Amino acid sequence: QEQMVQSGAEVKKPGASVKISCKASGYTFTNYYTHWVRQAPGQGLEWMGIINPTGDGTSYGQKLQGRLTMTKDTSTSTVYMELSSLRPEDTAVYYCARDGAMVRGVLSAFDMWGQGTMVTVSS
Amino acid sequence: DIQMTQSPSTLSASVGDRVTITCRASQNIGTWLAWYQQKPGKAPKLLIYEASSLESGVPSRFSGSGSGTEFTLTISSLQPDDFASYYCQQYNSYPRTFGQGAKVEI
Repeated sequence: QEQMVQSGAEVKKPGASVKISCKASGYTFTNYYTHWVRQAPGQGLEWMGIINPTGDGTSYGQKLQGRLTMTKDTSTSTVYMELSSLRPEDTAVYYCARDGAMVRGVLSAFDMWGQGTMVTVSS
Repeated sequence: DIQMTQSPSTLSASVGDRVTITCRASQNIGTWLAWYQQKPGKAPKLLIYEASSLESGVPSRFSGSGSGTEFTLTISSLQPDDFASYYCQQYNSYPRTFGQGAKVEI
């Protein structure tokens, strides 16, 4: 079945980097954009950025510009999100989410989500 | 950035109640609005897209309406499984933005 499976929880010290993976299965990876969204404990949802599965296209939210890098490995249908110079306020659950705009030909909501990856930043 | 404002933030209701959550956009987004349901410890789940289209597999007691800057999510008869948080999201432009959430509790 269609699913997005993320890597496991991480604990990092301030100033370190974290890299999370999101592996797609059950659908054509290159037909869907992937977004990343995070949620701090007890807080709402924050959009982080988007990666185009074909070519080199990425777009990041202004808040995380300079610290955020999204990459992909088309051969394994996996998207990666790396956040550097971690701060305690980056403690959150990080989600990847699928966007079907390419398939539908119109703007699209996020119709599938990974299970989430908890990242804890603490000294 | 487009700001999304939901109301109320918390809503106390009972099984069988009709529940309405409102979402306002700071500028015209047409009908590029989605509603998600999130339960504790789980990823959000898409309920409604394009303001009023029901995602496949979502019960028909959920409905959405609105366009431009004013939108509503309605649950016609609240069920025990519906106690959760609900988020609106605009996907008219970048950055994609979410409302702050509305928690439906007993």
